[in-house]
Amino acid sequence: DTGVSQDPRHKITKRGQNVTFRCDPISEHNRLYWYRQTLGQGPEFLTYFQNEAQLEKSRLLSDRFSAERPKGSFSTLEIQRTEQGDSAMYLCASTVSGANVLTFGAGSRLTVL
Amino acid sequence: QQQVKQSPQSLIVQKGGISIINCAYENTAFDYFPWYQQFPGKGPALLIAIRPDVSEKKEGRFTISFNKSAKQFSLHIMDSQPGDSATYFCAAWGRTGANNLFFGTGTRLTVIP
Repeated sequence: DTGVSQDPRHKITKRGQNVTFRCDPISEHNRLYWYRQTLGQGPEFLTYFQNEAQLEKSRLLSDRFSAERPKGSFSTLEIQRTEQGDSAMYLCASTVSGANVLTFGAGSRLTVL
Repeated sequence: QQQVKQSPQSLIVQKGGISIINCAYENTAFDYFPWYQQFPGKGPALLIAIRPDVSEKKEGRFTISFNKSAKQFSLHIMDSQPGDSATYFCAAWGRTGANNLFFGTGTRLTVIP
């Protein structure tokens, strides 16, 4: 197992464009989390899935953001009509239900010009 | 509202010295307190963690001290090494309610040779 994989690692886009990030969790992990981290700040929770069900969403997850985990394995995070304020590192993490340890991926860095 | 408050924001320590990072929380529903270490361009990685029924936990050069009544906990890095230079985040996991990890704002540690 290679841990949590995220793709792409870096994305530069123009304001107004749509972007999609993919996360492949550790295979036996049924919970998958998305966090956002801006420069000099700690990660902030966006949403999490248990299997394919999205169980919680943060207020940070505006209508322009949508996340899916269609088969309970990989997940995608899409940002529509990107804004400069969306520039951040988007981190994915996974764990098993009942465990308190999150294993993070290396993140996908988004720059919106 | 910041669920977990962390200080200092940055810390410079001589090689061989002790690095101390402090955190405080308000929510008594938190029942698991991990520390994460993050290197530039990488996702956070679990360093050490503690439950509130324990006052201290030591793993190698890293020690967590926990004061349940004061709702404070701290990370001590003994014999700090240049390779310890990274950003450290304290975090707290809720027992009920939000099933996610709340992070502090981070401490950027620089260990000078």
